[in-house]
This record gives sequence, C-alpha cells and structure tokens, in this order.
Amino acid sequence: AQKVTQAQTEISVVEKEDVTLDCVYETRDTTYYLFWYKQPPSGELVFLIRRNSFDEQNEISGRYSWNFQKSTSSFNFTITASQVVDSAVYFCALTGSSNTGKLIFGQGTTLQVKP
Amino acid sequence: NAGVTQTPKFQVLKTGQSMTLQCAQDMNHEYMSWYRQDPGMGLRLIHYSVGAGITDQGEVPNGYNVSRSTTEDFPLRLLSAAPSQTSVYFCASSYGGGPETQYFGPGTRLLVL
Repeated sequence: AQKVTQAQTEISVVEKEDVTLDCVYETRDTTYYLFWYKQPPSGELVFLIRRNSFDEQNEISGRYSWNFQKSTSSFNFTITASQVVDSAVYFCALTGSSNTGKLIFGQGTTLQVKP
Repeated sequence: NAGVTQTPKFQVLKTGQSMTLQCAQDMNHEYMSWYRQDPGMGLRLIHYSVGAGITDQGEVPNGYNVSRSTTEDFPLRLLSAAPSQTSVYFCASSYGGGPETQYFGPGTRLLVL
C-alpha cells in the first residue's frame, strides 16, 4: 500500500527564516510521482511541483526548493527567507503505476510565518 | 478558462437530507475526481472518473454516488446525509489518469447537523 507521512503537524517561524517541510513516502511501485500542494487560508489547493521517480535532481523555483532522495524515500520542501504570505497548509502527495491518477495525500503541515 | 468550478461554496444539511455537489471543468480534461478533506487526515479520494460514462470508487466511497454523463461535469450525490459527511469537498481534474497534475476546484464546505 502507498503512504505519505508528513510528521510535522505545525511549524512556526519568524519572517526571513528558512524552513523545511518533511515528506516521507512508501510505495512498491518503481514508477511513481510526487507532488506538493499549497493550501492558503482562503482554502483552495495550489499546485507547486511534480517530480517523477526517475528524476532525482533537486528543483529550485525562486525561494522554493525541493530535495528528492529515493534512498530515504523523502521529498522535502524548503522555503528560503520565508514571508508571511507563505503561511498555509502544505500537502505532499503520491501516485504510482499501481494506482495511477489516485493521489495519496499526507496529513499536511501547517506553516505559520510571523512578521 | 474558468478551470474547475464547484457549487455551492457552503451548504448546511440535516441528517437524512440529500443533495448534489456540482463540479465542472472547461479544460477538456478526461480525468475527474472527488476528494474530502478532514482535519488531520489530508485529502482522501471518494470517487473518480477516467472519462464520460466511466466511474470508479476511491478510498472512501460509502454514502456517495457519482455519474459522468459529459466530459465537463462530475456531480457528487449524497443520498442520505450523515454527520460523518461533514467535511470540505474538492473536485479535481487532469488530462489523464496517469501522472498528469490534478487541478483542484475551490471546494465546497458541507455541514451536516
């Protein structure tokens, strides 16, 4: 069975601090895809990134970066120089060849960035 | 494009009442799905559809029905609402049922008394 664990329920930082959100996954599929979504206080789900299991290159997009490590089954998300607007719930999700299209979500991490 | 739209935004039901949550997309996506979000549990898949006329169950299908008569619409029906169905419901769509990114609607907040 597939599983996604986000062990950090809530994180609070002060603006400009760097913060890393952890995501650990379990799957027996050799082909799988990992996602991060952001849910701001307004409630919608915003897609941030998709990564496939064959691409272990780290990704950087502005202040956001993602570290994918198959050896530890982790797909961690780092926000550099956090801002108040980064305050949101962040979800990590997984889909694989055995359940294609069906996203398995982690429990979510609530990030609060204080001014 | 409006993307994925959901109506209503908020609904209060009494136990035993029925209702339909509407979902529509204008991106010509084949794949559509419904999730529910509960505190501390992330999102869980209720039902999904890989195209018009084809639907299947997800992780938590009990108490919900779906149909897909057109590519654009994927309504979710609660036949007899229960307090356990109090949740936030999200509809999502994507080009295909594989690794394509799923795009979510704004959600419907449902309260069952």
